[in-house]
Amino acid sequence: EVQLVESGGVVVQPGGSLRLSCAASGFTFDDYAMHWVRQAPGKGLEWVSLISWDGGSTYYADSVKGRFTISRDNSKNSLYLQMNSLRAEDTALYYCAKDTGLVVITTGFDYWGQGTLVTVSS
Amino acid sequence: QSVLTQPPSASGTPGQRVTISCSGSSSNIGSNYVYWYQQLPGTAPKLLIYRNNQRPSGVPDRFSGSKSGTSASLAISGLRSEDEADYYCAAWDDSLSGPVVFGGGTKLTVL
Repeated sequence: EVQLVESGGVVVQPGGSLRLSCAASGFTFDDYAMHWVRQAPGKGLEWVSLISWDGGSTYYADSVKGRFTISRDNSKNSLYLQMNSLRAEDTALYYCAKDTGLVVITTGFDYWGQGTLVTVSS
Repeated sequence: QSVLTQPPSASGTPGQRVTISCSGSSSNIGSNYVYWYQQLPGTAPKLLIYRNNQRPSGVPDRFSGSKSGTSASLAISGLRSEDEADYYCAAWDDSLSGPVVFGGGTKLTVL
């Protein structure tokens, strides 16, 4: 059974930093690209970042480019999101999601975690 | 302002057929696959349609997707109360502002 479990969400002050983690199980982690998608309270889905299966390619939404860094450790079946210079508008539930494509990148996310809540507030 | 445009709301009565539209441009829907997600209240999104019109296993055939030019649609036939949810379209975007874009979401109400 595929499982994605996010952790690391807390309340942080504006300008602060945070690292989110996503522990994956139930599939061959290093065969699939992984994504972070966020949802602000009461709002829609916003794609944040993706990393290819081997970590060689990364992409970011303009809203987080230069502040967030996505990474993965295939030996630990784990995905990460380093978040720096946090702003109030980064407040959201952050989901990690598995790409549907086998060693390709798509915009199909066939498995999602339950999310971890990041609140940026003083 | 989302890159992909969806109506904010839709509604129907049980048994009816409803459609939800998703409008984009040549850099996203016009040249890439469209995916649809269903988000039930308080839960994580679920993949409903992939590659424009394919259903993952377990998704009822009441749900169907289509694409024409720079627009796509999700159709739900035989509407049921448990279909009340938020629906999102998504696509790869070839422009610099991409690469993955979502629609703003459509809240479906079953009357």
